[in-house]
Amino acid sequence: AQSVTQLDSQVPVFEEAPVELRCNYSSSVSVYLFWYVQYPNQGLQLLLKYLSGSTLVKGINGFEAEFNKSQTSFHLRKPSVHISDTAEYFCAVSEKGAQKLVFGQGTRLTINP
Amino acid sequence: GAVVSQHPSRVICKSGTSVKIECRSLDFQATTMFWYRQFPKQSLMLMATSNEGSKATYEQGVEKDKFLINHASLTLSTLTVTSAHPEDSSFYICSAFAAEPISNSPLHFGNGTRLTVT
Repeated sequence: AQSVTQLDSQVPVFEEAPVELRCNYSSSVSVYLFWYVQYPNQGLQLLLKYLSGSTLVKGINGFEAEFNKSQTSFHLRKPSVHISDTAEYFCAVSEKGAQKLVFGQGTRLTINP
Repeated sequence: GAVVSQHPSRVICKSGTSVKIECRSLDFQATTMFWYRQFPKQSLMLMATSNEGSKATYEQGVEKDKFLINHASLTLSTLTVTSAHPEDSSFYICSAFAAEPISNSPLHFGNGTRLTVT
């Protein structure tokens, strides 16, 4: 079974500042890793995913994440945030080849002007 | 890109009534759909996996007689909350698995249904 821990429930940052949202996972098998964003009262939109290959993954809206197998982490970063990045961010994991996702608890990113 | 339509987006019902939520894949066939439940300020919890033409697989702790899932076609799955109670109030989200990767993700999410039981 897999599990995901998002270490910060809330992250407030100022506009144009860099941000890192932390995610650690646990699994006994190889996994795929994902970051999703959720705006209020909406579904989830995929930001980026790691399936294999380069450990640095670039996604939409200027986000990127780095897969670190030794630390079982998949932290999300953005060098300069905007007000529009205010949302809930979810890290998720699935067993390789499987369809079922296990989500972390979510991190609420709040951008202050 | 792939679109998953979930309907209704919001529903308010009285305690004891049943509510049906639809999840449709609009431009692809989805052999598998997932139903999630999200409480306020919490994560998504998988309720069940719905496979076209067969019975749904429910996660531990989810009452299958209360949350009826039907996946009668490759583009439609429904979740019926039977005899709803206030504690069933939540945000329900479906996702559909596309056999072919569409718009860089094989798993596509609906926009969710906010259920309020009074």
